Amino acid sequence: DAGITQSPRHKVTETGTPVTLRCHQTENHRYMYWYRQDPGHGLRLIHYSYGVKDTDKGEVSDGYSVSRSKTEDFLLTLESATSSQTSVYFCAISDLGDRPGGYEKLFFGSGTQLSVL
Amino acid sequence: DQQVKQNSPSLSVQEGRISILNCDYTNSMFDYFLWYKKYPAEGPTFLISISSIKDKNEDGRFTVFLNKSAKHLSLHIVPSQPGDSAVYFCAAILIQGAQKLVFGQGTRLTINP
Repeated sequence: DAGITQSPRHKVTETGTPVTLRCHQTENHRYMYWYRQDPGHGLRLIHYSYGVKDTDKGEVSDGYSVSRSKTEDFLLTLESATSSQTSVYFCAISDLGDRPGGYEKLFFGSGTQLSVL
Repeated sequence: DQQVKQNSPSLSVQEGRISILNCDYTNSMFDYFLWYKKYPAEGPTFLISISSIKDKNEDGRFTVFLNKSAKHLSLHIVPSQPGDSAVYFCAAILIQGAQKLVFGQGTRLTINP
């Protein structure tokens, strides 16, 4: 199993509060991703990173920010949590950026269940 | 705009029979298609993939078929086993540029004894 740890595993918070989710990897992979999973929508990309301090937006990035100061850590911050951000959040990693012309499958963490009340 | 669609939210199959999960896509430029399997309280795990230049890929009990003209792919599981009960996501990827996977909504497969 790929070495990916997400913390916390569960969190309950109130509307309007900031929340930070952490993803830590031990694989030294270049690419890291944050997805959210919601019924009827599958997995949707929030933000991704292709190196230290290099990040870009996904399809549902509004209300979220990310930071990557080290290869192994990718943080997702909800600046002011809303009830619509209640979801399961998954971090994923891959080394596909190091294989020009090829692709690599993603390895996912176990997820963080976030409830915004 | 949902580029990858799984129109069946759930599927129930008897143990030992064939399970067929379907997926449709709209972007003809996708280069690879992948299937992921997800158990409750776990992250998705890679199951099988297929290149856009092929029409079939087989791995044990799992076979993925690709029909490019119809923009349709399917995952066949035969014979189905109780441990196959999970949510299955299909995904597609463009090799050029940022290689971001686009996922379908998922299909919950239940294998009945």
